Amino acid sequence: EIVMTQSPAILSVSPGERATLSCRASQSVSDNLAWYQQKPGQAPRLLIYGASARANGIPDRFSGSGSGTEFTLTISSLQSEDFAVYYCQQYKNWPPFFGQGTKLEIK
Amino acid sequence: QVQLVESGGGLVKPGGSLRLSCAASGFTFSDHYMSWIRQAPGKGPEWLSYISGSGFSIYYADSVKGRFSISRDNAKNSLYLQMNSLRADDTAVYYCARVSCSSTSCSYFFEYWGQGTLVTVSS
Repeated sequence: EIVMTQSPAILSVSPGERATLSCRASQSVSDNLAWYQQKPGQAPRLLIYGASARANGIPDRFSGSGSGTEFTLTISSLQSEDFAVYYCQQYKNWPPFFGQGTKLEIK
Repeated sequence: QVQLVESGGGLVKPGGSLRLSCAASGFTFSDHYMSWIRQAPGKGPEWLSYISGSGFSIYYADSVKGRFSISRDNAKNSLYLQMNSLRADDTAVYYCARVSCSSTSCSYFFEYWGQGTLVTVSS
């Protein structure tokens, strides 16, 4: 199975600043990579698929990049509602696998 | 709009069984692969099972193979997860989710999620 490793585990950033979250795959997943946002008590919400395509209704301050084994989620100017846990997920190989998450907290 | 509503969670003793349901609306249910995903407290999501739109193709994670069974009733726009031989480490919030599918193929990420139902396995 392909293991997804996210870093850092916790990221402290001030509102209005840029946040950069990383996700590494144990082998190439091409661009078969999705990002999700999860707030406390809620289900995960799809943000990015295909490594860089925004899902419906996702603001353009969210952007994804990368291919192969290294991926990045960037939030260009953090809003209060962006502080949450973020997960990456590969869907190239079986089984689909989620990372352990990065908690984005207010600095 | 797409809505997925899970039900059937609760407290069950180790070795017991539970059947989860997911009621879908706002889209053509039979056109989409559906999935069950769970999330243990403080952990990342864990994919459990897929079922094709017709119900003929089914896949399971090794962690639940032989104990859990996925099914669907397209006439009722409903998805199910029969869980047997439950263990303490099955304790989690269980979500149903819609797989992203076009008219010709599916990509196995999850476009829409329900709100989840909590399953607690404890004596």
